[in-house]
Amino acid sequence: DAKTTQPNSMESNEEEPVHLPCNHSTISGTDYIHWYRQLPSQGPEYVIHGLTSNVNNRMASLAIAEDRKSSTLILHRATLRDAAVYYCILTAGGGADGLTFGKGTHLIIQP
Amino acid sequence: DGGITQSPKYLFRKEGQNVTLSCEQNLNHDAMYWYRQDPGQGLRLIYYSQIVNDFQKGDIAEGYSVSREKKESFPLTVTSAQKNPTAFYLCATTDSSNQPQHFGDGTRLSIL
Repeated sequence: DAKTTQPNSMESNEEEPVHLPCNHSTISGTDYIHWYRQLPSQGPEYVIHGLTSNVNNRMASLAIAEDRKSSTLILHRATLRDAAVYYCILTAGGGADGLTFGKGTHLIIQP
Repeated sequence: DGGITQSPKYLFRKEGQNVTLSCEQNLNHDAMYWYRQDPGQGLRLIYYSQIVNDFQKGDIAEGYSVSREKKESFPLTVTSAQKNPTAFYLCATTDSSNQPQHFGDGTRLSIL
């Protein structure tokens, strides 16, 4: 599976936007970009995914670079409940063979 | 996720003992997965099953076994051959390729 690179941790203030970057320079044309987040002692939670175009849902937005070598997860107005580890994952073959998780980005939200 | 039930939440194993972790789903999803998570690390794939009566090894299958006799159930057995079983175990499901995986709340296994 193609590899992703994320910062180990990021810090933001409550009610401000958060931009979480992900580099995936070896992405293939059929790889989807998925984001999950995990709160302590819980299973990961799906956030958003996309292929080429930017995507929006009720939780977040996903901005994908034109060359697809990087992407950014955008939380428009962070709350304390958004404090979690965020994982950027490429799904080769659609992810049917399972997901490959890195260490993710630990997002800290300051009140 | 209310559609995936993992039990028990906490499990203790004695040396040389096999233990079985349960994963049941009512989402009618075809594919099911088992992951292991160690402290401070991401999840690693143990086994997965895309259809009843069929399953494949993931990246760290040694010391584990699974069965998929029913669509709703995908139990994981941690055998005595797994020398370092202490971890957080997560079960997931999905209904098709490129769709999100849904995760259970996990089982935390410890060695007595």
